[in-house]
Amino acid sequence: AQSVTQPDIHITVSEGASLELRCNYSYGATPYLFWYVQSPGQGLQLLLKYFSGDTLVQGIKGFEAEFKRSQSSFNLRKPSVHWSDAAEYFCAVGPNYGGSQGNLIFGKGTKLSVKP
Amino acid sequence: EPEVTQTPSHQVTQMGQEVILRCVPISNHLYFYWYRQILGQKVEFLVSFYNNEISEKSEIFDDQFSVERPDGSNFTLKIRSTKLEDSAMYFCASSEISRASGANVLTFGAGSRLTVL
Repeated sequence: AQSVTQPDIHITVSEGASLELRCNYSYGATPYLFWYVQSPGQGLQLLLKYFSGDTLVQGIKGFEAEFKRSQSSFNLRKPSVHWSDAAEYFCAVGPNYGGSQGNLIFGKGTKLSVKP
Repeated sequence: EPEVTQTPSHQVTQMGQEVILRCVPISNHLYFYWYRQILGQKVEFLVSFYNNEISEKSEIFDDQFSVERPDGSNFTLKIRSTKLEDSAMYFCASSEISRASGANVLTFGAGSRLTVL
């Protein structure tokens, strides 16, 4: 079955520390991969995406993610966390074909807290 | 930056009542979606809509749900007779196909929180 697993429900890091949020997926074919961020009261904002090519992708706000096919993972990283990064982060996978289908499968999310 | 706009931001309703959630997608997008997130659970796909018809729907999207694009700008989700378990945050999204990759990149709205009492 298709699924996305984010093993960490809640992570707390100190401001300035590095961050890695884990995401593993189970999908029938090579998927498109996404990370979204949701701040309180806000919608889902796209941080970055992977479609093909270079497996290390850069996103907004200094985030990056690496696609590792052998591990079925797409972990999100940031070298130095800012207090404004406190939010909930969602990994998602989508079908690897064009057309109108936008049936993204989301993970349960990882809530990030940032200590001063 | 273009936005997907959703109204209302929060609606409280009695069980059995009809609810309509409204969305204004990004103007040049052609594909529209509804997702929902029950508190503490995953964001779940409900339905996608293209060319004035449903292109895909999930098991959640049963006969109590319907979608409509009544004019050139709005995209609505109707729940005919709400149940307690319909309480959730409902997200609208729209997309265009990426010319570079042929893939969908969805832009989500801020959500409409529905509380069914």
